[in-house]
Amino acid sequence: DSGVTQTPKHLITATGQRVTLRCSPRSGDLSVYWYQQSLDQGLQFLIHYYNGEERAKGNILERFSAQQFPDLHSELNLSSLELGDSALYFCASSATIYGYTFGSGTRLTVV
Amino acid sequence: GNSVTQMEGPVTLSEEAFLTINCTYTATGYPSLFWYVQYPGEGLQLLLKATKADDKGSNKGFEATYRKETTSFHLEKGSVQVSDSAVYFCALSAWGNSGYSTLTFGKGTMLLVSP
Repeated sequence: DSGVTQTPKHLITATGQRVTLRCSPRSGDLSVYWYQQSLDQGLQFLIHYYNGEERAKGNILERFSAQQFPDLHSELNLSSLELGDSALYFCASSATIYGYTFGSGTRLTVV
Repeated sequence: GNSVTQMEGPVTLSEEAFLTINCTYTATGYPSLFWYVQYPGEGLQLLLKATKADDKGSNKGFEATYRKETTSFHLEKGSVQVSDSAVYFCALSAWGNSGYSTLTFGKGTMLLVSP
């Protein structure tokens, strides 16, 4: 157990739908990062939150949004889903630049 | 911007063979460097890291040395096992324009070890 918890582990939904992925960081870590892993794009950085505030955006689509709550858990919202959004979504948490801990991921399948 | 380039796979080896997976990077400033491993069906696990030039990270028989002069962080293991079969990702962490650090990954190298 890495200490970073992601739910659900698997999600199957239809095109056009909206889903929410949840991440609870390691105790004490203020930063949460979201990544998308697909076969063709590899690991792509989506967004970074620090203590409730957005700090950096990567290759995140406008249909996607995220937030970090006062208890530091984070949610990634994916809307108007397309087949190409099928991927593994990872979150990671960190306290410093020297260590990032990843959750086990949510596998999203859009049918 | 920051980027990581690692050798394409798959790398296919017999058990007890020597492993090298090449990784080079481009970054501004002084990044920290990491190797992550992903076993089939699992998430990413930190394998080793190095935070400054000439540092050597090591774990489970794997080693990598932070070479600033060649901007490289090659992963090596003297004798691989079947259980080492996985995808290996080289990554760097550096301060971005936002003032906060982000982690940039290479595309990953699949290692297949046969008995």
